[in-house]
Amino acid sequence: DAGITQSPRHKVTETGTPVTLRCHQTENHRYMYWYRQDPGHGLRLIHYSYGVKDTDKGEVSDGYSVSRSKTEDFLLTLESATSSQTSVYFCAISDTGRADTEAFFGQGTRLTVV
Amino acid sequence: AQRVTQPEKLLSVFKGAPVELKCNYSYSGSPELFWYVQYSRQRLQLLLRHISRESIKGFTADLNKGETSFHLKKPFAQEEDSAMYYCALRSYNTDKLIFGTGTRLQVFP
Repeated sequence: DAGITQSPRHKVTETGTPVTLRCHQTENHRYMYWYRQDPGHGLRLIHYSYGVKDTDKGEVSDGYSVSRSKTEDFLLTLESATSSQTSVYFCAISDTGRADTEAFFGQGTRLTVV
Repeated sequence: AQRVTQPEKLLSVFKGAPVELKCNYSYSGSPELFWYVQYSRQRLQLLLRHISRESIKGFTADLNKGETSFHLKKPFAQEEDSAMYYCALRSYNTDKLIFGTGTRLQVFP
């Protein structure tokens, strides 16, 4: 497995509280992605990064922000968690921006907002 | 805009039967197509990609640009093929990797 670690693995939080999920990689890959996985919706891209301090929005970015201050860490923040953000969150990395490059995934973080 | 459509949420077959998981895409440029698989309690992982034109675990997928499809096929399904399968698209013009909604394949003995 590529060196990708997501933390925490499980979290329960209350509506309205801020939450930060961390993705840490040891592969020195340039690209990092955050997805959420929901039944019937598959994997949807939230935000992604193409370098340190370089980020862009994905399909479902409302309510989420990201930061990447160093190559190995990509943080996803829910400023004020809502029940609709209950989901499984996956981080992915890829080495290059070439279209044929494989992406490697973390083990996921299960977030429950009550 | 990039979009990937997987029309089947669930596909159930018996062992030894042929399998076809459908994937259609929309993108105006020239994309790269992938199939990713998620086995129970495992990470999502690459199964195969169009550019490699390879067969992995007996699965093949052909890119049909006229029909904008990238269907995944296997002539004889095995029980260990039971998993969640995602079709994905990445373009040469953006850095986004977009997934479909996924198809759960169940192979019964």
